Amino acid sequence: DVKVTQSSRYLVKRTGEKVFLECVQDMDHENMFWYRQDPGLGLRLIYFSYDVKMKEKGDIPEGYSVSREKKERFSLILESASTNQTSMYLCASTGGALSYNEQFFGPGTRLTVL
Amino acid sequence: AQKVTQAQTEISVVEKEDVTLDCVYETRDTTYYLFWYKQPPSGELVFLIRRNSFDEQNEISGRYSWNFQKSTSSFNFTITASQVVDSAVYFCALSEKIQGAQKLVFGQGTRLTINP
Repeated sequence: DVKVTQSSRYLVKRTGEKVFLECVQDMDHENMFWYRQDPGLGLRLIYFSYDVKMKEKGDIPEGYSVSREKKERFSLILESASTNQTSMYLCASTGGALSYNEQFFGPGTRLTVL
Repeated sequence: AQKVTQAQTEISVVEKEDVTLDCVYETRDTTYYLFWYKQPPSGELVFLIRRNSFDEQNEISGRYSWNFQKSTSSFNFTITASQVVDSAVYFCALSEKIQGAQKLVFGQGTRLTINP
């Protein structure tokens, strides 16, 4: 059974804190993605990675960075959390270099920044 | 740029009614893929269907059906005889090729509530 897991379902942090969101997939997928989901805006791509140590900016990368040291793990980092980063964060993965297969999603992390 | 519009923010129907969720897209690509995902209250997006731009045949899977019309750039989703378990947020998405991978552009989502 394919699986994408995220380190926390709920997280509460204070403004200015450094926040790490972890995502692990067990499907040996090359491609991994971080999205944020906000009401009325759907899912927006923050960063993605198509290989180990590779990363590319998505549509809204400002205020975020990522790390992919191992194929199965993709971390999203908020260097200095701000209240406007309160959101649901979703990780996804898909296989193949030019894959048009469906993306598999994790359960999401609901982050609140106070 | 790619764009997906789901004009219906929320839909509420009574159980057993049929309901159609609209999806309109914009793309300059000649080859592309369209997707529908379901997000139940648990939060995890669940893949429902993928359709490529060369296949305009309608798809039926149980109570679910999809109508892809290239002429109107639409990929609508119909649930027949709706059930309470169909209550969820539904997202339509369009593929965009970037850096050798596939990016998905999502619509805003439609929150569907099926009332008993």
